[in-house]
Amino acid sequence: DAKTTQPPSMDCAEGRAANLPCNHSTISGNEYVYWYRQIHSQGPQYIIHGLKNNETNEMASLIITEDRKSSTLILPHATLRDTAVYYCIVRPMDSSYKLIFGSGTRLLVRP
Amino acid sequence: EAGVTQFPSHSVIEKGQTVTLRCDPISGHDNLYWYRRVMGKEIKFLLHFVKESKQDESGMPNNRFLAERTGGTYSTLKVQPAELEDSGVYFCASSQDPRTSRSTDTQYFGPGTRLTVL
Repeated sequence: DAKTTQPPSMDCAEGRAANLPCNHSTISGNEYVYWYRQIHSQGPQYIIHGLKNNETNEMASLIITEDRKSSTLILPHATLRDTAVYYCIVRPMDSSYKLIFGSGTRLLVRP
Repeated sequence: EAGVTQFPSHSVIEKGQTVTLRCDPISGHDNLYWYRRVMGKEIKFLLHFVKESKQDESGMPNNRFLAERTGGTYSTLKVQPAELEDSGVYFCASSQDPRTSRSTDTQYFGPGTRLTVL
């Protein structure tokens, strides 16, 4: 079973920031938080991951709370092409462990 | 750098037939995973190879599914005989070994093979 909880759907206006929350209250100290997305029926696309510090890359920012029990993925300027299902996944570090997908958040970016 | 590739992109077969799916991982990636998504369900893990060895096959649904990775490069997933409930999208992913690459073992996915069993 997935160890994360996400809202089933969200929407935002094009050009605005999209903030996608994720709860992972049972996360262990040796587990990363990963974010993937799936656009339509394509393969899941890696977005970002982090352990305890906030992370930023060319796609998004990841904000992890100090107690690590929740996180937020931020798409700073959402475009129509960001419409997708976003998955928050926790997995152990230092291993090549399988990914356990939940149902994710369906983000709709409105024109 | 080429990403993970999968062949075919679509396959339509009749119940009872055999189908073989192929996955070519990113060059140099020792870890190879198979996942699938059946209609209306979540993406589920099937199995994990490290080079040519099966590391975890706990997600394989039954013995009609056979995965191989001879030589530790590409992998095949054979379904024989196919049943209606096998319809779905089969994804392959690959990652480096963090112990040898000094990088994280982020999994990168292929585009998937859509399998329809009639």
